[in-house]
Amino acid sequence: AQTVTQSQPEMSVQEAETVTLSCTYDTSENNYYLFWYKQPPSRQMILVIRQEAYKQQNATENRFSVNFQKAAKSFSLKISDSQLGDTAMYFCAFTHKAAGNKLTFGGGTRVLVKP
Amino acid sequence: EAQVTQNPRYLITVTGKKLTVTCSQNMNHEYMSWYRQDPGLGLRQIYYSMNVEVTDKGDVPEGYKVSRKEKRNFPLILESPSPNQTSLYFCASSHINEKLLFGSGTQLSVL
Repeated sequence: AQTVTQSQPEMSVQEAETVTLSCTYDTSENNYYLFWYKQPPSRQMILVIRQEAYKQQNATENRFSVNFQKAAKSFSLKISDSQLGDTAMYFCAFTHKAAGNKLTFGGGTRVLVKP
Repeated sequence: EAQVTQNPRYLITVTGKKLTVTCSQNMNHEYMSWYRQDPGLGLRQIYYSMNVEVTDKGDVPEGYKVSRKEKRNFPLILESPSPNQTSLYFCASSHINEKLLFGSGTQLSVL
């Protein structure tokens, strides 16, 4: 069974600074995908970034980037130039080819951006 | 506009009173699923469906039922709700092996 662990329940960061959220996972699969989702107070689940395991290059989306360390099974998210609108719960998630569309989520990290 | 619609957004009920949370999508997606979100546990899959009349259990199916009689609808049924089913529920849909689109969530409280 796959597991996803987010070891930081809460983090705070000053506006315009950088914060890094950690995520580790456990799997025996080779063909898999990793995601970061953002959940603002509205409760919407918003896909922030997606990484395919066979791609060595780290995914980036504007101010969001990941550090994917396949051997260490680590998938951290860096938020640069933090904005007040980044305040949200962030979930790391995993799926693999044979799982169809099932996502396995970590417990989440609450991020508070302070003005 | 492509969307997954859940209703209601908030629901307070009492133990044992049957309820249904509806989910509908307008994208002709084959795949639909239900998750529950609890503090510290993230989201966990309850049930999923790969197509009409094809449903299967996820990781936490106990106490829930689903049906998929039409492609667009995937209701979640709690026949006899209990307080441990108090949670935030999400419906999601997609084409097979494409990214999931989530509904807006249903906050359920069982007293």
